[in-house]
Amino acid sequence: QVQLVESGGGLVKPGGSLRLSCAASGFTFNDYYMSWIRQAPGKGLEWISYISGSGDTIYYADSVKGRFTISRDNAKNSLYLQMISLRADDTAVYYCARDLCSNGVCYHDFWGQGILLTVSS
Amino acid sequence: EIVLTQSPGTLSLSPGERATLSCRASQSVSSRFLAWYQQKPGQAPRLLIYGASSRATGIPDRFSGSGSGTDFTLTISRLEPEDFAVYYCQHYGSLPRYSFGQGTKVEIK
Repeated sequence: QVQLVESGGGLVKPGGSLRLSCAASGFTFNDYYMSWIRQAPGKGLEWISYISGSGDTIYYADSVKGRFTISRDNAKNSLYLQMISLRADDTAVYYCARDLCSNGVCYHDFWGQGILLTVSS
Repeated sequence: EIVLTQSPGTLSLSPGERATLSCRASQSVSSRFLAWYQQKPGQAPRLLIYGASSRATGIPDRFSGSGSGTDFTLTISRLEPEDFAVYYCQHYGSLPRYSFGQGTKVEIK
C-alpha cells in the first residue's frame, strides 16, 4: 500500500535552516509528481511546492520562493524540502503528498502523516 | 490568482442530517480543476472528490460534489459520526499551482 513518511522536523531558531524528508513506498515513485503542503497551527492548508517525477518541473508558492528548495532522489524513493532563512510564520505541520495527474490536472491522492516544524528563539 | 471562499465557516448538524458546504471561486474555473478534502483532528487530509463531482477511491456515496463556474458544493447526504471534520476545497491551475479554501468545520450539534 502507498506510504509516505515525513521526517526531519523539529525546533529551529529564526534564520536557521532545516531539511525535511519524505520516504515513499508502495508505488512507482518516479511516475508521480509530489507536493509539499503545510498547515500552521489551527489554520488551513497551504500548498508550497511541487516537483515532477523526473525532477525537471518545479513550482513554488510565493511565500517560500527563494528560501525553500524541493528535490527528489528517485533511486531512494525520497522527496526533500530544504528550507533556509526560516521565520516564525514557517511554523507548521508539513505534509508530503503524492500528486495524481491526468489530462493536465492534478490532485493530492495520498498524504503523509505530517511533521511539525517550529521556528522559535 | 484564484481565491476560494468557503461557507459557512462552521456547520452545526446532528448525525443523520444533510450537510451542504459551499466553495466559491473568485473567477470562473473549470470543474475539472476543483477538488474536496476531508481532515479529521490530528490526521492528514484525505481526497474526497476530484473533478468537482467524482468520488475518490473508497469514498462512500453519501458524499457528492457538484457545481460549475464559480460555485461548487459538497453534499453529505446523511451525516455519520465519522463525517464530523473540516472540509477544504482546492483549485489546481495557474500559479500558485494549488489554492485551498479556508475550510468548513462540520461539528456535532
